[in-house]
Amino acid sequence: DTAVSQTPKYLVTQMGNDKSIKCEQNLGHDTMYWYKQDSKKFLKIMFSYNNKELIINETVPNRFSPKSPDKAHLNLHINSLELGDSAVYFCASSPSQTQGTYFGPGTRLTVT
Amino acid sequence: AQSVTQLDSQVPVFEEAPVELRCNYSSSVSVYLFWYVQYPNQGLQLLLKYLSGSTLVKGINGFEAEFNKSQTSFHLRKPSVHISDTAEYFCAVSASGNKLVFGAGTILRVKS
Repeated sequence: DTAVSQTPKYLVTQMGNDKSIKCEQNLGHDTMYWYKQDSKKFLKIMFSYNNKELIINETVPNRFSPKSPDKAHLNLHINSLELGDSAVYFCASSPSQTQGTYFGPGTRLTVT
Repeated sequence: AQSVTQLDSQVPVFEEAPVELRCNYSSSVSVYLFWYVQYPNQGLQLLLKYLSGSTLVKGINGFEAEFNKSQTSFHLRKPSVHISDTAEYFCAVSASGNKLVFGAGTILRVKS
């Protein structure tokens, strides 16, 4: 009964490729997020969706495009991958601001 | 805008000793405060949160934190640590839009 799941767990690819990461939550939460954790473990929000609507876009390059087909899913597509995109990407969800945010296990993306 | 400073990048401590992980925040508006724990190669797990009311909040695994508005701090404490507490701990604030702003993390190393 995984709460927030992501696939794949590991992703190794070459520069210039396009890749997608999928995320699903079965908690019934209205809000979903993508966070990026860099090599120094620093965590920063990338996007937030509420009921399939984009509400936060933290000056992320246009090569990153989130898509929310329904309230339970938030996928991340990345075009023309660059070395600097190597990081761990966490999907998360929350029912409200006061309830805390629930994180998925992360996807470790390595661009060579 | 909000920011979070975790004053120690690493805290080594012996098993069964007490520990305090320090967190200071900056915000021009009221915030909600959170502590998350990240075990190696895993996602983040919510330890505890401060929303309002009593300044001492208790969380999971025997952790507690105290909110101090005048010092803009939210330090995490545990009276007696175990080897299994070895992990990275992140302090975070949330002011609006549900997004979390994280500190840089503190690695807690518990030694036997």
